[in-house]
Amino acid sequence: QVQLQESGPGLVKPSETLSLTCTVSGGSVSSNGYYWGWIRQPPGKGLEWIGYLYYSGTTNYNPSLKSRVTISVDSSKNQFSLRLTSVTAADTAVYYCASGYSSSWYAYWGQGTPITVSS
Amino acid sequence: QSALTQPASVSGSPGQSITISCTGTSSDVGSYNLVSWYQQHPGKAPKLMIYEGYKRPSGVSNRFSGSKSGNTASLTISGLQAEDEADYYCCSYAGSSTYVFGTGTKVTVL
Repeated sequence: QVQLQESGPGLVKPSETLSLTCTVSGGSVSSNGYYWGWIRQPPGKGLEWIGYLYYSGTTNYNPSLKSRVTISVDSSKNQFSLRLTSVTAADTAVYYCASGYSSSWYAYWGQGTPITVSS
Repeated sequence: QSALTQPASVSGSPGQSITISCTGTSSDVGSYNLVSWYQQHPGKAPKLMIYEGYKRPSGVSNRFSGSKSGNTASLTISGLQAEDEADYYCCSYAGSSTYVFGTGTKVTVL
């Protein structure tokens, strides 16, 4: 069973870059056919799809975030990461990493890490 | 790419059946059989309940079922139980390798 654990700074200043890491256990980020994604949820609001990384290295992003987002993988550490540049208060949310055998659904989720953007 | 439309809240008594709608457009829900549904209890991560429109992951109760008609997908919970009280979100493929979530529905068991 794949298990995911997010880690991040908790607090980021406006205009800075947010970097989050998802550590994978019980599976490999290089596993054939797996998708590795990021989803966020602003306080009291709904879920927003951020994007995903396919095991082959292909990435796809939410068009509204595409210019600021990068998802990458570090196979040596069995981790994948999210980088979001030029953050504003609107990026304050709980960020979840997730994975599954399809880009259209995620069977495995981390517990989420809260990120606040504030000076 | 706009969020899919769900009712803000749906309620029912124990044992009853309820249906949550998820309305999109011909560019997302209407064009693909790639709608998934997630259950989220307060302070918890979402849990996959339905994928590819109607398929249930192993371990998910058969009281949960999914369907689609035109641009609207639906999640039906039959034999409503107290533990079903949660927020529910749909998610659909929206073309060009992108996805969009629904606005979310709070289910209350009376």
